Amino acid sequence: DADVTQTPRNRITKTGKRIMLECSQTKGHDRMYWYRQDPGLGLRLIYYSFDVKDINKGEISDGYSVSRQAQAKFSLSLESAIPNQTALYFCATSGPTGDYGYTFGSGTRLTVV
Amino acid sequence: AQSVTQLGSHVSVSEGALVLLRCNYSSSVPPYLFWYVQYPNQGLQLLLKYTSAATLVKGINGFEAEFKKSETSFHLTKPSAHMSDAAEYFCAVSKSGGSARQLTFGSGTQLTVLP
Repeated sequence: DADVTQTPRNRITKTGKRIMLECSQTKGHDRMYWYRQDPGLGLRLIYYSFDVKDINKGEISDGYSVSRQAQAKFSLSLESAIPNQTALYFCATSGPTGDYGYTFGSGTRLTVV
Repeated sequence: AQSVTQLGSHVSVSEGALVLLRCNYSSSVPPYLFWYVQYPNQGLQLLLKYTSAATLVKGINGFEAEFKKSETSFHLTKPSAHMSDAAEYFCAVSKSGGSARQLTFGSGTQLTVLP
């Protein structure tokens, strides 16, 4: 099994719909992250969580919300999806300081029509 | 705030040729630097990292990078490209020290390896 599992892998949804992307990890790490990847822009941080009770906004949090259900689970929600949220979304986890880099999931490709 | 600039969104090399992917960073404090690789339809995989130890860092698959403080650079190299190296490569930076370390990514460089 993968260290970081994201579901679904692909999703097409309509404008205005609520959608949740799920992430679970088996690394036993406290820190989890949600990134968005767009061509030519690299990865941009949406939200991050250092433990179950600690949730923080990243650089592009508008239009998104998150829930840390457990140490191993961190979900991302789009309350009312819009077409410019079409992107590849990645979940990641890291150790206490991030010194050893992040472990990424395989991504969720979301299309909003 | 720290940032990274990757010069060249697309790089093409012939199989067997030198691979050089450029990354310059901006950081007000000594940075930690990373290179990640993304193969098609996959997540990002850590290639190598610099965390203030040796300035020449060796990673997986024959890649290495050299931290040059005077040039604020952390370029990725491989002596001989292989077809399997075709992928997108991302440079990332984080601040050293403190507990709030997060990664800031460059915009990526797509490497094409020509037969």
